[in-house]
Amino acid sequence: KQEVTQIPAALSVPEGENLVLNCSFTDSAIYNLQWFRQDPGKGLTSLLLIQSSQREQTSGRLNASLDKSSGRSTLYIAASQPGDSATYLCAVKGGGATNKLIFGTGTLLAVQP
Amino acid sequence: DAGVIQSPRHEVTEMGQEVTLRCKPISGHDYLFWYRQTMMRGLELLIYFNNNVPIDDSGMPEDRFSAKMPNASFSTLKIQPSEPRDSAVYFCASSLGGQALGAFFGQGTRLTVV
Repeated sequence: KQEVTQIPAALSVPEGENLVLNCSFTDSAIYNLQWFRQDPGKGLTSLLLIQSSQREQTSGRLNASLDKSSGRSTLYIAASQPGDSATYLCAVKGGGATNKLIFGTGTLLAVQP
Repeated sequence: DAGVIQSPRHEVTEMGQEVTLRCKPISGHDYLFWYRQTMMRGLELLIYFNNNVPIDDSGMPEDRFSAKMPNASFSTLKIQPSEPRDSAVYFCASSLGGQALGAFFGQGTRLTVV
């Protein structure tokens, strides 16, 4: 059974710092991995999607990497801003016919001005 | 496109009452997913549809929960009778071609059963 874990559960950093969020999964047979952002009381916004054949994806100040063999992904946020404060979730889609997304536990990020 | 639209945004109901949550997926998307989010269990997939047909409902907690998708632009999640432990945020998401191109989520319905 696929399990997805995110460390740390919460993180507080001063504005301007670069930071890394971690995501690990137990079954390396994934189809893709997706990073989402969730603001309080809101839905999820997709940030980056990495196919299993890819190593990384970049969007603006965000960079996500994937190491399938070790079951890990990282989300790197450069020059953090208070507006980056949110909960960040990673989710994996298993291989095969399933279309289920298995979500991680999330990292609550607070960027202090 | 306005994105995935869910209604209502908030619902407070008494235990034992029937609750119906609604979702309008993004036009052209062929997959629709219902998720539930709680502090204890995080985000869990309840059921998903492909071309209006339920494909996997193994996440539906019990018979009190049912979901329908009568057409490509509308889906409902019904709880009857509702219980306090059903209190959660329910999300609907849609995608094109399963999860290959990523999923788009609605704003969610916050359900409180008292």
